Amino acid sequence: GQNIDQPTEMTATEGAIVQINCTYQTSGFNGLFWYQQHAGEAPTFLSYNVLDGLEEKGRFSSFLSRSKGYSYLLLKELQMKDSASYLCAVIDSNYQLIWGAGTKLIIKP
Amino acid sequence: GAVVSQHPSRVICKSGTSVKIECRSLDFQATTMFWYRQFPKKSLMLMATSNEGSKATYEQGVEKDKFLINHASLTLSTLTVTSAHPEDSSFYICSARGQSEVEKLFFGSGTQLSVL
Repeated sequence: GQNIDQPTEMTATEGAIVQINCTYQTSGFNGLFWYQQHAGEAPTFLSYNVLDGLEEKGRFSSFLSRSKGYSYLLLKELQMKDSASYLCAVIDSNYQLIWGAGTKLIIKP
Repeated sequence: GAVVSQHPSRVICKSGTSVKIECRSLDFQATTMFWYRQFPKKSLMLMATSNEGSKATYEQGVEKDKFLINHASLTLSTLTVTSAHPEDSSFYICSARGQSEVEKLFFGSGTQLSVL
């Protein structure tokens, strides 16, 4: 079967760095992306990785290793507004999105 | 990098009206476009795949007459939600695949539809 695993919840301190991991097992791979979603709001597209390596966008970076079926989202200089759920999703060979359950990130002062 | 523009980003409409969402590839030709919808607790699900110049292929359970998809050119695909009802309220997002970068998809920013 197809499966995406990510931690249910993480806590970090304002100004610190946090890494949210995502492992996947899917039928085929057409890319992986990360979404940020605040409660009650539409998700915000953060990153899309299809090739191995690290992609940096300001305070957020996303890493992919296709051979290991692994990705992580790295958030630096955490701000209170970063408190949200972070969703990992893989696009399979049929272009279906396979979603993780999301990681709730709690930022403490 | 390639850019996909999706418009509008947010729309509020009355029940019974139709809403059109546009998805444009700004600097590349998109041979294939995909439309996704977010379901509560199920996250984004593929609705349909459209290839330029041909009819869209809908996923099981998606009403073709309800969600009209047109991909008339290599840079534009539209999704029309016909006779919208409150249960159609959702987040819709398109993505496009170019001719040269077939391994990579480019995503629009999404449309939040609220039907009153």
